[in-house]
Amino acid sequence: GQSLEQPSEVTAVEGAIVQINCTYQTSGFYGLSWYQQHDGGAPTFLSYNALDGLEETGRFSSFLSRSDSYGYLLLQELQMKDSASYFCAVRDSNYQLIWGAGTKLIIKP
Amino acid sequence: GAGVSQSPSNKVTEKGKDVELRCDPISGHTALYWYRQSLGQGLEFLIYFQGNSAPDKSGLPSDRFSAERTGGSVSTLTIQRTQQEDSAVYLCASSSRGELFFGEGSRLTVL
Repeated sequence: GQSLEQPSEVTAVEGAIVQINCTYQTSGFYGLSWYQQHDGGAPTFLSYNALDGLEETGRFSSFLSRSDSYGYLLLQELQMKDSASYFCAVRDSNYQLIWGAGTKLIIKP
Repeated sequence: GAGVSQSPSNKVTEKGKDVELRCDPISGHTALYWYRQSLGQGLEFLIYFQGNSAPDKSGLPSDRFSAERTGGSVSTLTIQRTQQEDSAVYLCASSSRGELFFGEGSRLTVL
């Protein structure tokens, strides 16, 4: 079967750096995406990696290693507003999105 | 509006009643997705439309669930004979080139 694995919860301190990992097992691969969802809100797109390497967008970066079927989301200079759930998602060979179960990021002052 | 619009935002119904949820995607987006999300849980895929056709209905939980899309635009998700386990937030998303844009969801509560 197809699956994405990510930690259920991560805790970090305001101002610090945190990494959320995602490993995937899918039939085919057309890119890894990350979405952020605040409590009670809708998921919003953060980043997309189709090729190996690091993509940087402000305080957020996303990394992909296709040979390891692995990626991560890196959040720097954490702010309290970054407290949310983060989902990774992979497009498979049918171009369908396979979602991880989400990582709840808890930030402490 | 410029985003994905869903209605109603909240719906409370009695067990056994039928409900209809509506999604108005971003203009020009050919792909439309329905997901279900229970409190604190991940996204459960329901159905995907490309244009008016639904190449993937594999996520619909039972034959009480159906969805249609007309004119390559508005989609409705219908749940017949609702059960308490249907209570959740139903999210719609549209896409043109990969990135999904989500609506705010319809929160369904079945009493």
